[in-house]
Amino acid sequence: AQRVTQPEKLLSVFKGAPVELKCNYSYSGSPELFWYVQYSRQRLQLLLRHISRESIKGFTADLNKGETSFHLKKPFAQEEDSAMYYCALKGRAGNMLTFGGGTRLMVKP
Amino acid sequence: GAVVSQHPSWVICKSGTSVKIECRSLDFQATTMFWYRQFPKQSLMLMATSNEGSKATYEQGVEKDKFLINHASLTLSTLTVTSAHPEDSSFYICSARPAGTSGRGELFFGEGSRLTVL
Repeated sequence: AQRVTQPEKLLSVFKGAPVELKCNYSYSGSPELFWYVQYSRQRLQLLLRHISRESIKGFTADLNKGETSFHLKKPFAQEEDSAMYYCALKGRAGNMLTFGGGTRLMVKP
Repeated sequence: GAVVSQHPSWVICKSGTSVKIECRSLDFQATTMFWYRQFPKQSLMLMATSNEGSKATYEQGVEKDKFLINHASLTLSTLTVTSAHPEDSSFYICSARPAGTSGRGELFFGEGSRLTVL
């Protein structure tokens, strides 16, 4: 079975501070991991995926298979980064996404 | 980018009513759509995978007779909550992947449909 854990329900930082949203997973196969973001009153949208190894809106995430983690990082948080962030793992059959519980990021001015 | 639309965005009904929620891919075809349920302040839980032209695949614990899914065309999947009760009140979200992109294609999410059962 696959599982995604986001240990923090709420993360509050000041503008300009570094931010790290934690995500740990358990999966027996080779994982494919994603970060989704949901801004206030908007739909869920893909932020980044580990296979792309890209930086979106200043965010990066590195898959660490040894620690089974896929933490999302940004060196300098902005107020517009305030949103719900969900870590997700693609499971069996390559179709199903399993979501973590989500972390609400609040960036204070 | 690709757009997925859900209708209605909010529905309030009396207990015992059956409610249909539509999920449409507006500018692409989707052979597979997914239905999720989200309780307040909780994460998305996959309910079922909707396959065009065949039966949906339900996740463990989801009653298929309660949550009827029909994927009649490449752009439309419907979720019908039959004989809804207050405990069915929730936020229902669908997602779709463009046909031909296989398992590596991006999933696009609808804006969600809020069901309130009185």
